[in-house]
Amino acid sequence: RKEVEQDPGPFNVPEGATVAFNCTYSNSASQSFFWYRQDCRKEPKLLMSVYSSGNEDGRFTAQLNRASQYISLLIRDSKLSDSATYLCAVNPGDDYKLSFGAGTTVTVRA
Amino acid sequence: DADVTQTPRNRITKTGKRIMLECSQTKGHDRMYWYRQDPGLGLRLIYYSFDVKDINKGEISDGYSVSRQAQAKFSLSLESAIPNQTALYFCATSDPDRDETQYFGPGTRLLVL
Repeated sequence: RKEVEQDPGPFNVPEGATVAFNCTYSNSASQSFFWYRQDCRKEPKLLMSVYSSGNEDGRFTAQLNRASQYISLLIRDSKLSDSATYLCAVNPGDDYKLSFGAGTTVTVRA
Repeated sequence: DADVTQTPRNRITKTGKRIMLECSQTKGHDRMYWYRQDPGLGLRLIYYSFDVKDINKGEISDGYSVSRQAQAKFSLSLESAIPNQTALYFCATSDPDRDETQYFGPGTRLLVL
């Protein structure tokens, strides 16, 4: 079983819609969690960290469910510029290495 | 100027050739990483270094070697390239004294024929 798994999508949504997707992780001892954004053929960039209490950054909301071992990302009022691949990253508690999921592709259409 | 740079950005090579991918950073971070990215497989860690004297294998180190020449430089070598090493390679850095955020270079597209 992969350490971090994501639904690859694609999630095709109209502008203004809400889209949400999850990422599951296998190691219950995992310490910290992140969402990265990757535009086509570009490097991943940190979108947001995911805290135990959940966190929100503008139109983006991240949640952690430790009992079910998944994190989620919700994007409200989708913009064309939100079209990207969203990578989930998990620190399994081993130094500061991160395990990355394969990414969820979101396409926002006009 | 970019904080994390990689050279070359694109490379085509032949099976059996030795090649080196270079990474430089101006962020002053001690930790550096090399990943490869393949469609459907995501980012996989090849090697990582927590300081100049510390080198560690990642999950897919076979066929690769690295050199940490200085705090700012971390090179990845393919001793004898093979076609299944065709991938997008990323270097990344982090500063654990600050947080766990990893900062990525722009990537190197490698094609092994």
